[in-house]
Amino acid sequence: AQSVTQLDSHVSVSEGTPVLLRCNYSSSYSPSLFWYVQHPNKGLQLLLKYTSAATLVKGINGFEAEFKKSETSFHLTKPSAHMSDAAEYFCVVIVVSGGYNKLIFGAGTRLAVHP
Amino acid sequence: DTEVTQTPKHLVMGMTNKKSLKCEQHMGHRAMYWYKQKAKKPPELMFVYSYEKLSINESVPSRFSPECPNSSLLNLHLHALQPEDSALYLCASSQVFSGINEQFFGPGTRLTVL
Repeated sequence: AQSVTQLDSHVSVSEGTPVLLRCNYSSSYSPSLFWYVQHPNKGLQLLLKYTSAATLVKGINGFEAEFKKSETSFHLTKPSAHMSDAAEYFCVVIVVSGGYNKLIFGAGTRLAVHP
Repeated sequence: DTEVTQTPKHLVMGMTNKKSLKCEQHMGHRAMYWYKQKAKKPPELMFVYSYEKLSINESVPSRFSPECPNSSLLNLHLHALQPEDSALYLCASSQVFSGINEQFFGPGTRLTVL
């Protein structure tokens, strides 16, 4: 079965320092992976997606993620955190079942950014 | 227009009430979804409509009744809910339900059942 594991439930960084949110996936074939962000009391917004093209994927708001098959990882990074990046981040794998695709969410990582 | 709208933003209801949640999109998407999200948890899929037909029901109790009147609208009718049904209800849409398509999420309706 396909799944994703987010290795940290909470990450705390200072404003202006790098962000690393870790995600490992489990899949029997080449997966499609997304990162979504959810700000407090808001819906989810797609940050970036990997669909077997370039392994380094650039997203919105300066985020990027690198697909590493050898490590089964899809970690999310940003060079310099901003206060507005404080939110919940979900790593998602797409599961194709019966001709349809479903999103399988990781447990989420809450990012706190301190001044 | 890349927006999914949901009304109301907040809803408080008693266990004997009947209420409805509404979701709308004007992106021409043919797949629409209802998710339930409890605090500090990821969203859980409830229902999927594809071309206005119910394609997936993730064993949701019958006190939740979805409806898709047309390709732009999705409703969730609520009746005889329990306090444990209190959650954020998210609507999403995608171009179609097959293939690798981004799902666009609405801001959600925060439901409290007393």
